This record gives sequence, C-alpha cells and structure tokens, in this order.
Amino acid sequence: DGGITQSPKYLFRKEGQNVTLSCEQNLNHDAMYWYRQDPGQGLRLIYYSQIVNDFQKGDIAEGYSVSREKKESFPLTVTSAQKNPTAFYLCASSIGPDYGYTFGSGTRLTVV
Amino acid sequence: AQKVTQAQTEISVVEKEDVTLDCVYETRDTTYYLFWYKQPPSGELVFLIRRNSFDEQNEISGRYSWNFQKSTSSFNFTITASQVVDSAVYFCALSERGRGSTLGRLYFGRGTQLTVWP
Repeated sequence: DGGITQSPKYLFRKEGQNVTLSCEQNLNHDAMYWYRQDPGQGLRLIYYSQIVNDFQKGDIAEGYSVSREKKESFPLTVTSAQKNPTAFYLCASSIGPDYGYTFGSGTRLTVV
Repeated sequence: AQKVTQAQTEISVVEKEDVTLDCVYETRDTTYYLFWYKQPPSGELVFLIRRNSFDEQNEISGRYSWNFQKSTSSFNFTITASQVVDSAVYFCALSERGRGSTLGRLYFGRGTQLTVWP
C-alpha cells in the first residue's frame, strides 16, 4: 500500500545534540512538507520541497535543516540551534496543494 | 493575519448531540480549495473533504456535512448525532492558486479539539 512512513515514532534527544527524523513516501508525490505541532498552536510549516534538490523555508525554519536528494525521502534534522525542539513532527506529501496532503503518523521528539 | 481561522479552540458535547465546527478563511484568489482533516489521538491527520471555490453545494457524507458559503468566507463542518469516536482535533485548511508555482502549500487553522462524552 502506498503511504508515508515516519520514523522513529518516539525520539529522545539530549541537549546540544542534532537528531534526524526520517520521512519516506512511495506515492510518487513531487511535493513534501514538514510541520511542527505544539499544543494549542496548530500546525506550523518548517520546510517544504516541491522537487528533488530544491526546498524552501517555511514559517519556522530556524534551527532546522532538510535535504531532498531523492523523490521518496525528505529527512528533517533538528539541530542544537533549535531552542525548544520538544514537539510532535508531521511529514506530508502531495501531488500539489490543490489535492491536499497525505500525512505520516508523526514523530514525537522530547529533549531530555 | 491568519488565512484560516478556527475560532473554537475546544468543544465538548454529549453523545448523539449535533455539533458544528466553524472555519473562516481569507483569500484574494478566485480559485482556491478548502479542506477538512481529522486528527485522532494517534496523531496522523486524516483527510475528510476537499472543496473547490466554484462549488458551493453543500456536501453530506453519512453523519458529516459541510456548508460552504463564499459570501461569508466560511466552510463549516457539522457532525450529526456525534459519537465518542468523533473525538479528535479537526483542522480546516486553504490552498490558493494564485501567484507563483502551482505547487505550494496549505494554510491550516489552529484546529478545534472536539470531545464527545458518552
């Protein structure tokens, strides 16, 4: 079945460490997105990519980095520069925004 | 300014009650799409409906119905005879087809937490 796989489901990070969240899709979608969700804040866009080897900053890109070397993969790195990384992270993909997004099941990141 | 406003942060109802979730959007485009997503406690967002700006017909799907009114820039969602399994966060979203590439992003509201009590 086609879909989006995010891993791991839960991730714990020590202060000062970089961590990478995985997002893989087999839907043959060109566009991929990363969102952060905090209680009461809704979904905030971190980065998005419309095509391989190209990506754009979203609304809260500081402290994050991405790569898009393959159509299927859009990993997100949470760097030590991100001051408050504890959150729920959602990856999505799309043929185009007119068609909406397909979401992964999310990764819950906690800083310990 | 927010493009999508969901003024209701939390709603609680008792099972079998009807409940309406409000969504107001803002856009200058004449062509756009509106969406509703459901996020159950498991976390994954589930697509519910997509509606384009030229189709103002109301839509009904089982206990779910949607009311799209361009005159008030609203796209409200009603659950009839609510059930405990309807408890979730519901998001309204807007896609604009305007300047720039046809590929872009959705703008989400902040979501409404619906709790249905038995």
